[in-house]
Amino acid sequence: SQKIEQNSEALNIQEGKTATLTCNYTNYSPAYLQWYRQDPGRGPVFLLLIRENEKEKRKERLKVTFDTTLKQSLFHITASQPADSATYLCASETGANNLFFGTGTRLTVIP
Amino acid sequence: EADIYQTPRYLVIGTGKKITLECSQTMGHDKMYWYQQDPGMELHLIHYSYGVNSTEKGDLSSESTVSRIRTEHFPLTLESARPSHTSQYLCASRPPSTDTQYFGPGTRLTVL
Repeated sequence: SQKIEQNSEALNIQEGKTATLTCNYTNYSPAYLQWYRQDPGRGPVFLLLIRENEKEKRKERLKVTFDTTLKQSLFHITASQPADSATYLCASETGANNLFFGTGTRLTVIP
Repeated sequence: EADIYQTPRYLVIGTGKKITLECSQTMGHDKMYWYQQDPGMELHLIHYSYGVNSTEKGDLSSESTVSRIRTEHFPLTLESARPSHTSQYLCASRPPSTDTQYFGPGTRLTVL
């Protein structure tokens, strides 16, 4: 069955460094992958979508890549700030054109 | 920024009570969704709707029911709440011709 894995449950980095989060998919070839940010007790907020024919996409300090050979998307936050601390979710499509989500990576940026 | 609202934000209720979680959006989106999320776990789709009078069950089996009488509203009902229903419930909508979803703030339900 289709599966998304976000390998790291938690990631701690120093302020100013680049955070890199990983999303691996198995048993299917998604047309796109999406990244969301979720703060405690809140709903997810959409950040970026990357399609299978796109290698890289950027938005301000955020960058996402899509490697169909490795079956992986990487999500980067450059010049990280404590305000970037949150859980980041990877999401992909189902056959019914709905979304399913990974368990997320909880990022903590240490001042 | 999407305008999608959920009420109540927090609800503590006793076993056996009937509850309705409200979700509304002012953007005229046809597609709406309900997810259930336990702490530290992934979101699970429990219901979705493609528009008025359309409701479908999601990937995770749920004892809740939904209705879609108006485009703006997508309420979720539990006829008899149980402690196993304790969770966070998130509502979302999807603009036409896009693959992204906009989420409400969620309702944290605790059943004693």
